[in-house]
Amino acid sequence: DAKTTQPNSMESNEEEPVHLPCNHSTISGTDYIHWYRQLPSQGPEYVIHGLTSNVNNRMASLAIAEDRKSSTLILHRATLRDAAVYYCILSEASGSRLTFGEGTQLTVNP
Amino acid sequence: DSGVTQTPKHLITATGQRVTLRCSPRSGDLSVYWYQQSLDQGLQFLIQYYNGEERAKGNILERFSAQQFPDLHSELNLSSLELGDSALYFCASSLGNTIYFGEGSWLTVV
Repeated sequence: DAKTTQPNSMESNEEEPVHLPCNHSTISGTDYIHWYRQLPSQGPEYVIHGLTSNVNNRMASLAIAEDRKSSTLILHRATLRDAAVYYCILSEASGSRLTFGEGTQLTVNP
Repeated sequence: DSGVTQTPKHLITATGQRVTLRCSPRSGDLSVYWYQQSLDQGLQFLIQYYNGEERAKGNILERFSAQQFPDLHSELNLSSLELGDSALYFCASSLGNTIYFGEGSWLTVV
């Protein structure tokens, strides 16, 4: 599985935008970029995924670099409920297993 | 609510015993995945089934086994339990590119 690199932790203030970076310099042409988040003692929650183009959904936006070697998850207005570990994961094909790394622990300050 | 149902939610058992964890995937999802999350190991992929057949295998111990039944529900069997098997066990399911996780089964081995 291609590897991703994320900062261990980030902090944000409530109602401000948050940009969570992910580097994946060894990404292959067919790898999808997925973002999941996990709150304590809960199952991972799907946030967003993309292949080449930027993606938006009700939870977040995903900005993918032109060379696809990095991506950024954007939470437009952080809330206290967004405090979680965010995982950036690459998958080879539709339905492939996900290999979780350490993720980024996001703290949201009131 | 992801639509993935896991039972039991909590389980306490003694070393050497055997337990079965049950998972009902989202309606229509053909793939089922099992993950283990312990404090010191993070989220570890165990095994994936697709429409009743084993598709991918991860770090699953020989004492552990799983199966997916014709109605697509899945069971994870853990035998000869050791203290180190205490963890959260997650089931997930997918039809396409998005994997949805259940809330997990907490296993405590004493």
